[in-house]
Amino acid sequence: NAGVTQTPKFRILKIGQSMTLQCAQDMNHNYMYWYRQDPGMGLKLIYYSVGAGITDKGEVPNGYNVSRSTTEDFPLRLELAAPSQTSVYFCATSRDSIQETQYFGPGTRLLVL
Amino acid sequence: ELKVEQNPLFLSMQEGKNYTIYCNYSTTSDRLYWYRQDPGKSLESLFVLLSNGAVKQEGRLMASLDTKARLSTLHITAAVHDLSATYFCAVDRVEYRSQGAQKLVFGQGTRLTINP
Repeated sequence: NAGVTQTPKFRILKIGQSMTLQCAQDMNHNYMYWYRQDPGMGLKLIYYSVGAGITDKGEVPNGYNVSRSTTEDFPLRLELAAPSQTSVYFCATSRDSIQETQYFGPGTRLLVL
Repeated sequence: ELKVEQNPLFLSMQEGKNYTIYCNYSTTSDRLYWYRQDPGKSLESLFVLLSNGAVKQEGRLMASLDTKARLSTLHITAAVHDLSATYFCAVDRVEYRSQGAQKLVFGQGTRLTINP
């Protein structure tokens, strides 16, 4: 099993460009999450999903959009990239039980210049 | 607003010594998670603490939770170089629990360096 995969690993964007960060999981988990981690800081929740077709905002959703058409995929869309979105983005999943830990993908490093 | 604070933020210690990392949080929660992150890598789950008085141990690491004090500790016993990493605690937001989702708030992390 691959677990949680993310693509790309690294990307440089120009200000105003758009891109989609991909996240896929083969763990059959209903819950999926997007976080950003700024240098020297903890993670902040951007969006989350409790199942296909259901998404909701986290702590820092501005400038991002998500969709969840399948259980396996949870892409994160950046519209009109800004330097403040330079960060490392992590996707995570968890099982239905709230007692379970979250399983994190390897991350996407994004630089906006 | 839930705030999670870890201390110390940086810790350099000798192999063989014991030390404790503290995680304080500001509002009611009964679920706390510890994660480890190696430089340039993703997060790896260490412990899930789900009730007051919970204690979990794995190797040289032991975590505990005191929900009344809103405090969790991660204790390192006889440290070895392989434990060098950044350690994060994360707390679930009680007021936003819905549909089973975990809306975690993370601390800043404690960067631990263990010297031979």
